[in-house]
Amino acid sequence: EAEVAQSPRYKITEKSQAVAFWCDPISGHATLYWYRQILGQGPELLVQFQDESVVDDSQLPKDRFSAERLKGVDSTLKIQPAELGDSAMYLCASSLWARETQYFGPGTRLLVL
Amino acid sequence: AQKVTQAQTEISVVEKEDVTLDCVYETRDTTYYLFWYKQPPSGELVFLIRRNSFDEQNEISGRYSWNFQKSTSSFNFTITASQVVDSAVYFCALSELAGGGNKLTFGTGTQLKVEL
Repeated sequence: EAEVAQSPRYKITEKSQAVAFWCDPISGHATLYWYRQILGQGPELLVQFQDESVVDDSQLPKDRFSAERLKGVDSTLKIQPAELGDSAMYLCASSLWARETQYFGPGTRLLVL
Repeated sequence: AQKVTQAQTEISVVEKEDVTLDCVYETRDTTYYLFWYKQPPSGELVFLIRRNSFDEQNEISGRYSWNFQKSTSSFNFTITASQVVDSAVYFCALSELAGGGNKLTFGTGTQLKVEL
């Protein structure tokens, strides 16, 4: 069964350092999403890509976060510099097309010390 | 703005009991989708069901059933004869389709604990 892949699964970093997360969507899925989930809350959308184009990044803190999907397949989410409040689970999801069901990867748990 | 409310923070049941998880939503859109996802301790969100706003038929899948009532803006989820493996956090979500986006608005989740 096709799955969304994410790495690393866990990341511990110090405040002010740079971190990067990688996501490989289900093959053939044109739409890719990054969500952030703070402990005890539901996920919140950070950015949505349609192929290589950003569709929605209204909730992405652009002063420190960046996301790219250069070839319209896999994607990287970067934080620089990391802050204590960035500690959370970062989930990647993909869907065949916009308006289709989103399937999630296992997530990356980030701890900023 | 769209909103999803899951008033039950945590539910504990004994195995084989039936349990219903409540979900109430708010939206101004006439066309939308509603979802339920399961999040086990491993962290991955597992898709359970998607329901179109025009389809109010209830659905049953094995021990799972869903009751969609547009009149009360509710989309409740029932697990029949619960099992320990059902222990997880369950999220209800609403899909906002305006502007080509597909943003999911999630509730805060209900932690279900099924004990022997």
